[in-house]
Amino acid sequence: EAGVVQSPRYKIIEKKQPVAFWCNPISGHNTLYWYRQNLGQGPELLIRYENEEAVDDSQLPKDRFSAERLKGVDSTLKIQPAELGDSAVYLCASSLTSGVVHEQYFGPGTRLTVT
Amino acid sequence: ILNVEQSPQSLHVQEGDSTNFTCSFPSSNFYALHWYRWETAKSPEALFVMTLNGDEKKKGRISATLNTKEGYSYLYIKGSQPEDSATYLCAFNSNYQLIWGAGTKLIIKP
Repeated sequence: EAGVVQSPRYKIIEKKQPVAFWCNPISGHNTLYWYRQNLGQGPELLIRYENEEAVDDSQLPKDRFSAERLKGVDSTLKIQPAELGDSAVYLCASSLTSGVVHEQYFGPGTRLTVT
Repeated sequence: ILNVEQSPQSLHVQEGDSTNFTCSFPSSNFYALHWYRWETAKSPEALFVMTLNGDEKKKGRISATLNTKEGYSYLYIKGSQPEDSATYLCAFNSNYQLIWGAGTKLIIKP
């Protein structure tokens, strides 16, 4: 079974430039998560999707971040414009169930460096 | 604000030695406690999902215990090997969300 796929793995951009990350979850997983992990901290949830609906985007900085999950499968996370503080690892995860207790499966992440 | 603390932040262990580290979490609104291992340049990998107070889980040389009343979990590694070098993350499963600790970075010295 293929795991969660993310691309690109690494991205270096200058501040004020746009950037986009792509995620393909495990087949059949209806729930998809985007996390941001800053150095020395745990992952922080940005947005959670149930199929194509964003059910929790309370931590997504909506002035510059946007996400979509058309057709309830692949998802894209965009930052426009990027700031220096956006340098982090962006993780995508998916889970089979939307139940309270659920195991999440992660992709390898995209390491973003904003210069 | 829900807070999950892991200690120590990093740990150097001699190959062959055993080690353990701690995850502290809120003792209310508990649904589950997750342990993940994250090796450099790879995806975080689930180790254990623990739901019951007193739970003990084991996978090879790695085991974990859970105390939900006092809000802590221990992860043990017996006879550390170089391939155990990774960051170990715990996550407190509250209602529909995971609150993550910052991780313990384990480095095994040959």
